[in-house]
Amino acid sequence: GESVGLHLPTLSVQEGDNSIINCAYSNSASDYFIWYKQESGKGPQFIIDIRSNMDKRQGQRVTVLLNKTVKHLSLQIAATQPGDSAVYFCAENSGYSTLTFGKGTMLLVSP
Amino acid sequence: GAVVSQHPSRVICKSGTSVKIECRSLDFQATTMFWYRQFPKQSLMLMATSNEGSKATYEQGVEKDKFLINHASLTLSTLTVTSAHPEDSSFYICSAHPGGVRGWANEKLFFGSGTQLSVL
Repeated sequence: GESVGLHLPTLSVQEGDNSIINCAYSNSASDYFIWYKQESGKGPQFIIDIRSNMDKRQGQRVTVLLNKTVKHLSLQIAATQPGDSAVYFCAENSGYSTLTFGKGTMLLVSP
Repeated sequence: GAVVSQHPSRVICKSGTSVKIECRSLDFQATTMFWYRQFPKQSLMLMATSNEGSKATYEQGVEKDKFLINHASLTLSTLTVTSAHPEDSSFYICSAHPGGVRGWANEKLFFGSGTQLSVL
């Protein structure tokens, strides 16, 4: 059931700054990771993915870093824009097509 | 890109009634669909995995008799919340996978836009 008083970690940045969102994953056997963006009242939107045989992958304005030693994943957003404001989730693939989502981070971008 | 359509986007119902949510893959065949539930300010929690032509697999703690899943075709899965109660109020999201062999190189999950269920 729902936990009373639970709130999402929040990262507040200014427009134009670089943002770094972190995620710790739990399963050392996971071999595929995805970052999703979720705007209020909408479903998750794919941002970028990375396989466990890589430690870095770049997209347009976004970079994902994977540190398997400490089971840590990060999403870097360059030149953050107000439209980037959303909740960001990391997800790990720990079985065939089954994703486990992290707790999420709310990104607030001020103009 | 691939599109998953979820309907309705919002539903308000009285306690004790049943609500059906549809999830359609519009331009691909989805052998597997997933249903998630999301409470405010929380992450997505997998409820069940829906496989075309067979019974759904439910996660621990999810009542299969309360959350009925039907995946009768390769493009449609439905979730019916039976005898809904206020504690069932939540954001329900489906996702679809094109299927195929294990491997995620070119196959990603595609998510619907979600259904906000409010039970009075």
